[in-house]
Amino acid sequence: GAVVSQHPSRVICKSGTSVKIECRSLDFQATTMFWYRQFPKQSLMLMATSNEGSKATYEQGVEKDKFLINHASLTLSTLTVTSAHPEDSSFYICSAVGQGAYSNQPQHFGDGTRLSIL
Amino acid sequence: SQQGEEDPQALSIQEGENATMNCSYKTSINNLQWYRQNSGRGLVHLILIRSNEREKHSGRLRVTLDTSKKSSSLLITASRAADTASYFCATGGRDRGSTLGRLYFGRGTQLTVWP
Repeated sequence: GAVVSQHPSRVICKSGTSVKIECRSLDFQATTMFWYRQFPKQSLMLMATSNEGSKATYEQGVEKDKFLINHASLTLSTLTVTSAHPEDSSFYICSAVGQGAYSNQPQHFGDGTRLSIL
Repeated sequence: SQQGEEDPQALSIQEGENATMNCSYKTSINNLQWYRQNSGRGLVHLILIRSNEREKHSGRLRVTLDTSKKSSSLLITASRAADTASYFCATGGRDRGSTLGRLYFGRGTQLTVWP
């Protein structure tokens, strides 16, 4: 149980392109989803917290207009990297937490999206 | 910082040996979790230990938590080549202002198990 599907797994595109990444909880309803960015051999950097039906909460230093997050349903959140540039190249990972008292619940992670901007 | 810090940064052992990774943190926590990440993949949850627990087992994994020292350890017994991965500790904060469910990840320990 608790499977999170992230798509696509890899994107290579030209500078200036907008890229949409989907994160789906397949067998549970996710009240909250988290979007992370990870550089090689580094820890996960939280970008934003996404709650179903409300605006995402962005971490300090993360541009809201650059990284658009939509959490329209309890099973789907999307991250759109708008007008991507080479410095946006990174590994993006989503995670989801189920409904209920999730202060002591694990996060369930997608397999990540490797974004390469040429 | 609420971030956990793992030690060592890298660990290289032979199959069959035990691997011990440590994690230290600075603030009060609700829980501490350990995750595993294979190269280029997402994270897989291993164990969650609550702040009122001292030890937890799952198969070949043993996690301890010492809240007085703000530290935790992950022990993998009888390691296998397939255990090669990065291991992260993550703390669930209880400080005011912490987003419910949010985790603070350390930098991870890269474990290599040689056949």
